[in-house]
Amino acid sequence: SYDLTQPPSVSVSPGQTARITCSVDALPKQYAYWYQQRPGLAPVLVIYKDTERPSGIPERFSGSSSGPTVTLTISGVQAEDEADYYCQSVDSSGTHVVFGGGTKLTVL
Amino acid sequence: QVHLQESGPGLVKPSETLSLTCAVSGQSINSGYYWGWIRQPPGKGLEWIATAYHAGSTYFNPSLTSRVTISVDTSKKQFSLNLSSVTAADTAVYYCVRSVYYGSGIYYHYFDSWGRGTLVTVSS
Repeated sequence: SYDLTQPPSVSVSPGQTARITCSVDALPKQYAYWYQQRPGLAPVLVIYKDTERPSGIPERFSGSSSGPTVTLTISGVQAEDEADYYCQSVDSSGTHVVFGGGTKLTVL
Repeated sequence: QVHLQESGPGLVKPSETLSLTCAVSGQSINSGYYWGWIRQPPGKGLEWIATAYHAGSTYFNPSLTSRVTISVDTSKKQFSLNLSSVTAADTAVYYCVRSVYYGSGIYYHYFDSWGRGTLVTVSS
């Protein structure tokens, strides 16, 4: 199987930097994608292909990859960033999509 | 800007077939994008169901493939999901999505536009 492991929760104060990790347990590692889901709303793509940011997504959102771990970094966290964040990738076949379990970001 | 709108019954009986449709506006369904479905049980995480291309390619979650069909109707500018033999475990918010897929050497498969989602409850 191809699993993505995220921490269940991350907490930061406003203005600080939040880092949410996603660990991949199989090789070859494929690209990772990140989605933000605010309460009651549909997810929104915030990072694609490990590091790319879609138009309209604030610059404070960035992505990085190192070995088996990908990281979503939110610099200068704002109250509106409080949400669930999901990483996503594909398995080694390239066709089957896998989601991480999600991380709840709390802005203290 | 693409707009996706799910429609279908909000209540389905156990053992029956769940059928949903997603209307696509603001963009041609014949474009290079793929189209798909993702679900989210209440209080839980996201689960990919299936992805399809207007020209016929389809990809399925291995855990659901025996119960799922997905199709794209270019004349109606919509795509559809059928999930058979449903149980209470299939109760979820179902999202239709626009998918970006590339699979030749380097693979990418992700979702850049989402519908608002529709809650489907499986109950007698």
